[in-house]
Amino acid sequence: GESVGLHLPTLSVQEGDNSIINCAYSNSASDYFIWYKQESGKGPQFIIDIRSNMDKRQGQRVTVLLNKTVKHLSLQIAATQPGDSAVYFCAETPLGNTGKLIFGQGTTLQVKP
Amino acid sequence: SQTIHQWPATLVQPVGSPLSLECTVEGTSNPNLYWYRQAAGRGLQLLFYSVGIGQISSEVPQNLSASRPQDRQFILSSKKLLLSDSGFYLCAWSGGKVPGSGANVLTFGAGSRLTVL
Repeated sequence: GESVGLHLPTLSVQEGDNSIINCAYSNSASDYFIWYKQESGKGPQFIIDIRSNMDKRQGQRVTVLLNKTVKHLSLQIAATQPGDSAVYFCAETPLGNTGKLIFGQGTTLQVKP
Repeated sequence: SQTIHQWPATLVQPVGSPLSLECTVEGTSNPNLYWYRQAAGRGLQLLFYSVGIGQISSEVPQNLSASRPQDRQFILSSKKLLLSDSGFYLCAWSGGKVPGSGANVLTFGAGSRLTVL
């Protein structure tokens, strides 16, 4: 069946360092892959997405890489800040780009001052 | 601009009691609406989604039900809560454009934390 999972449950980084959060997926027929950030006690917030026909997309301080050969997705955060501390989820959209996202389990990012 | 409201934010209920969580969306029409559940330390599981008034699709068999009495209102209910119903419930909507995104992005509410004792 379909599944989206994360490699590590918790990632601890020093403030100012770069962070890399990884995600593996199993469904090759997804339209988009999306990263969400969830702060404690809040709903997830959209960060960035990448279409399945791309391999890299950059945003403000974030870069998403997609490797379809090994079905791997990563989120890179440059110059990590304390405000980046949160749980990060990858999600995929089934073919047809519906809103029925399939979420991974989440990686907790802890930023040390 | 579009906003999504969800309430109550926190709820403590005894086993066997009923449940009603409400979600409303403002600033858009005919949105797709979703209820997700997030168990502690886990990812998000899609429970229900709706593409229009009175149209509800259930994704997983469970003790809960959903209704959409109005275009921008989505309600999650239970007649008798179980301990396993505890969790963080998130309402979301899609159909609007998120700048810089081509995906059918979900916008989530702030969530309702349910504890069943």
